[in-house]
Amino acid sequence: DQQVKQNSPSLSVQEGRISILNCDYTNSMFDYFLWYKKYPAEGPTFLISISSIKDKNEDGRFTVFLNKSAKHLSLHIVPSQPGDSAVYFCAASAGRYTGKLIFGQGTTLQVKP
Amino acid sequence: EPEVTQTPSHQVTQMGQEVILRCVPISNHLYFYWYRQILGQKVEFLVSFYNNEISEKSEIFDDQFSVERPDGSNFTLKIRSTKLEDSAMYFCASSPGTGSYEQYFGPGTRLTVT
Repeated sequence: DQQVKQNSPSLSVQEGRISILNCDYTNSMFDYFLWYKKYPAEGPTFLISISSIKDKNEDGRFTVFLNKSAKHLSLHIVPSQPGDSAVYFCAASAGRYTGKLIFGQGTTLQVKP
Repeated sequence: EPEVTQTPSHQVTQMGQEVILRCVPISNHLYFYWYRQILGQKVEFLVSFYNNEISEKSEIFDDQFSVERPDGSNFTLKIRSTKLEDSAMYFCASSPGTGSYEQYFGPGTRLTVT
């Protein structure tokens, strides 16, 4: 099941710089997208979401961009901090029809001091 | 801040044994979910639960699995006869519903089947 893909297994950035995490999807029924952050031995923590009727949503240092024509979304973290080092999961939902989330494989972000 | 809790944090069981994983969702949430993550793989949906019944289940959620909300606070996942391949992290999640699609996850239960 490759409906949601995060093609970069890992990303390393310098503290203070921008982190850009990418996610692609194939299912046109998806109408809601979420980003989760996960530390080892913990559950996924909700970060930010975006509805398919929008192309951008911002919350503090986190911004999610959605390009529906390309079936692509990205999470921008500015400025990156060492505490942001974690695994980031993209998830998608066809919320009008089902509540289940389809997750990507995750991208491990390392922010170096 | 309200959070989803799960017990136990780690469960070791022998193949063929029954296990019950417990979750306490956020109190005013209406939708409840179980997911699992096998080591090195994606987080996978198992089942969703609303209004005291299963609303959706995945192919993984076969007759060996069942869910229950025995009282107003707990939400349980039972595996009747565990297999080696059931070894995974099991996450419970809850959602307010009513137009909100964000799901809030518990810390997980690591199930090890030997």
